[in-house]
Amino acid sequence: KNQVEQSPQSLIILEGKNCTLQCNYTVSPFSNLRWYKQDTGRGPVSLTIMTFSENTKSNGRYTATLDADTKQSSLHITASQLSDSASYICVVRANQGGKLIFGQGTELSVKP
Amino acid sequence: GAGVSQSPSNKVTEKGKDVELRCDPISGHTALYWYRQSLGQGLEFLIYFQGNSAPDKSGLPSDRFSAERTGGSVSTLTIQRTQQEDSAVYLCASSLGPSGGAAQETQYFGPGTRLLVL
Repeated sequence: KNQVEQSPQSLIILEGKNCTLQCNYTVSPFSNLRWYKQDTGRGPVSLTIMTFSENTKSNGRYTATLDADTKQSSLHITASQLSDSASYICVVRANQGGKLIFGQGTELSVKP
Repeated sequence: GAGVSQSPSNKVTEKGKDVELRCDPISGHTALYWYRQSLGQGLEFLIYFQGNSAPDKSGLPSDRFSAERTGGSVSTLTIQRTQQEDSAVYLCASSLGPSGGAAQETQYFGPGTRLLVL
C-alpha cells in the first residue's frame, strides 16, 4: 500500500535553532517528492520538489534531502524564525501524472 | 488573478442542505484538484481534473459529493444533503499539468473554504 509517514507529529523549538523533519514513504514506483509549508488558515505552499535522481535541494533556509534507496526524505530548517511555525507536509507522487500521496504533516512551533 | 481563489471563504450551513464551493484556478493551469482537510488531519484527495480528460473521482467519499469544471477553468464542488462530518476546510489547487516534468506539476493552493455543518 502506498503510504507516506512523517515524524515527528509535532515539534517545538526555540527561535534560531535548527531542526530536521522526516518523511518515509512506501510509494512505488516513485516519481517525485515535494515538501509543502502550510501556515495556519492558509493553503499549502511548495518548498521543494525532488525527483529520484536528486539527493539534495535547498530553498533558502530549507534544505531537503532524498534517499531513493531507503525511501526517506528529510527537511532541514536552519536558524529557525518565528514565521517558520507551520505544518510541513511531505507529498509523494507515484508515476509521472499518477496519484499524490500526502503525509499527515509535522506541526512545527518556533518559540521566542 | 495572481493565484488560486476560492469562494466563499467560510460557509455555515444546516445539516441536510446543499452547498456549492467555487474554485478559480491560475490562468493557463490545465490541472485542478480538490482536497479536504479536517481539523488536525492531513489533506484528503477528492477529485482531479486534467484538461479535457475524464476526471479522477476516486477520492470522493460518497455520491453526495460531485464536482464540475466548466470550460477548463472554474470548478464547482457540490455537496448535497450535508452532514456534520462534512465539516472541514476544502482546498483547491491547480498546476500546469503533468506533462512538463516535476516542476510543472507543482500545485498552487487556494486559501480554502471553511465549511461548518450544524
